[in-house]
Amino acid sequence: EVQLVESGGGLVQPGSPLKLSCAASGFTFSSNWLNWIRQAPGKGLEWVASINPDGSSTYYPDTVKGRFVVSKDNAKNTGYLQMNNLRSEDTAMYYCAGTVFDYWGQGVMVTVSS
Amino acid sequence: DIVMTQAPLSVSVTPGESASISCRSSKSLLHSNGITYVYWYLQKPGKSPQLLIYRMSNLASGVPDRFSGSGSETDFTLKISRVEAEDVGIYYCGQLLENPLTFGSGTKLEIK
Repeated sequence: EVQLVESGGGLVQPGSPLKLSCAASGFTFSSNWLNWIRQAPGKGLEWVASINPDGSSTYYPDTVKGRFVVSKDNAKNTGYLQMNNLRSEDTAMYYCAGTVFDYWGQGVMVTVSS
Repeated sequence: DIVMTQAPLSVSVTPGESASISCRSSKSLLHSNGITYVYWYLQKPGKSPQLLIYRMSNLASGVPDRFSGSGSETDFTLKISRVEAEDVGIYYCGQLLENPLTFGSGTKLEIK
């Protein structure tokens, strides 16, 4: 059974960093893209980051480019999202997802507030 | 950026009847390889989104065949035949043709 389990969320102050993890199991993690998508409270889906199977290429929308860094450790079957200089508008549920968003984790809440 | 526009915002359906949700993209989602990169997702209340349809018309694993996807290069439709109570939630279309990957704003399906 495919599983993606996020962790690392919480309440942080504006300007702080936070690192999310996504533990994968049940599929060949090293052969798949990893994506991060977020959903602000009561809002729709927003793509946040993607990384290719071997981790050599990463992609971001302008809203987080330069502040967020996606990575993956294929030996540990784990993906990461390092979020720096967090803003109140980054408050959302963060999901990791498979190559075509075919599998999703349960999500982890990130709240940025003073 | 490719804008995905969904309609209607919400739909109320009697169990057993059909429902259709429309999605329009601001740019053709047909790649030169012949694949149309539009996807449909359902987010049930309190749950993570799940994939329903990939590449415009392909049913994802485990999804009932009451769901179907169709369309052209810029206009897409998700049809749900014989709606059931378990189909409630918010339906999103998304494009995976190019970055930034974008989603529609969602269509909420309710049961009458």
